[in-house]
Amino acid sequence: QQQVKQSPQSLIVQKGGIPIINCAYENTAFDYFPWYQQFPGKGPALLIAIRPDVSEKKEGRFTISFNKSAKQFSLHIMDSQPGDSATYFCAASAGTYKYIFGTGTRLKVLA
Amino acid sequence: GAVVSQHPSWVICKSGTSVKIECRSLDFQATTMFWYRQFPKQSLMLMATSNEGSKATYEQGVEKDKFLINHASLTLSTLTVTSAHPEDSSFYICSAGLAGLNEQFFGPGTRLTVL
Repeated sequence: QQQVKQSPQSLIVQKGGIPIINCAYENTAFDYFPWYQQFPGKGPALLIAIRPDVSEKKEGRFTISFNKSAKQFSLHIMDSQPGDSATYFCAASAGTYKYIFGTGTRLKVLA
Repeated sequence: GAVVSQHPSWVICKSGTSVKIECRSLDFQATTMFWYRQFPKQSLMLMATSNEGSKATYEQGVEKDKFLINHASLTLSTLTVTSAHPEDSSFYICSAGLAGLNEQFFGPGTRLTVL
């Protein structure tokens, strides 16, 4: 129940494409869903986060779609660039802000 | 704002020695700090949660006597890996949180290599 399932494990897109990364959860107590970007040898950096009371949130080229009934949320990266090549992690927390992380998606954007 | 630093950024030590990693919140007072461990190409695994002035809460399977956490102030937490062994080699990342906010602010990580 504490797991957050993330897919796909890896993803390759052409420059300008729209990679989509999906996450699913079981615990209905989760009320905060952030996405993090991590480059090799670096700590994770917050990209965008959403709460269950909204179905979509956009910040720059990054969009989160949230489906509360399906207990799923996804990250869309518009007009992807080679510089977006990184590992992306979804996470979920329930009030106490102890995060449960997904398994990660390694994204490669081809020039 | 909300910058978290870690020191050192990398460390190499001999088996059997102890290593201390510092995590500092530079521009805010962190009510809670978290310590994660990340193996290559894997996700972040929460090791422990620490609140200033109280004992850390360790996740299941994490040896509290091996991974000593001290959170002496609202801006500093330390992780000491005692009697390190090669299997302790990993990327250790801390994060800091503010009361009332869900967001955690992550440090840049510390690469530990035990020979």
